[in-house]
Amino acid sequence: EVQLVESGGTLVQPGRSLRLSCAASGFTFDDYGMHWVRQAPGKGLEWVSGISWNSGIIGYADSVKGRFTISRDNAKNSLYLQMNSLRPEDTALYYCAKDGATGTTRRYWYFDLWGRGTLATVSS
Amino acid sequence: QSVLTQPPSVSGTPGQRVTISCSGSSSNIGSNYVYWYQQLPGTAPKLLVYRSDQRPSGVPARFSGSKSGTSASLAISGLRSEDEADYYCAAWDDSLSALLFGGGTKLTVL
Repeated sequence: EVQLVESGGTLVQPGRSLRLSCAASGFTFDDYGMHWVRQAPGKGLEWVSGISWNSGIIGYADSVKGRFTISRDNAKNSLYLQMNSLRPEDTALYYCAKDGATGTTRRYWYFDLWGRGTLATVSS
Repeated sequence: QSVLTQPPSVSGTPGQRVTISCSGSSSNIGSNYVYWYQQLPGTAPKLLVYRSDQRPSGVPARFSGSKSGTSASLAISGLRSEDEADYYCAAWDDSLSALLFGGGTKLTVL
């Protein structure tokens, strides 16, 4: 079965760190770029970060640049998001998403498979 | 406020045709593809349209996307109750070097 399963979300205090993981299955993971997209409670979607199949191309939203780091381990079919210096406004459901095409440049990034999300809550 | 502008809500009756607009600028919609996602209540988003007017396999032909200049639209014909959801447009922005979403449009089927 083709699926993405996120984990690692929890309650954390402002200023602390959190690492999210995404386990992929059912497709050739190292053929595709991968992304993190978040949704604050009751709000819209926000792209957080994306990474190409070989980690050669990485992008971040301005809201997380310098604080979050995306990475992947193709041998483990896994995607990660290291979140440092967390703020209350980072509270959201974090979705892992697969890029829709192989070998694309950033301007052609889009998402054709989504996980169910993992909830990260930043609060004291 | 989102760089890509969508109406907060639209509504229609069963069988009707509705359109959802997405307005941007030359650095995003004007020079890149537009994508549309449907998010049913309590679920993860789903890809509806890619590369402005292409439908993934499994998406009904009732859903169609178009783009002209710095604006794009999603049309839904033969409206059904199960189409009630939030709809988001998205596009890469060359100036911001970021992938942007519109603020989302809530479709209500009356």
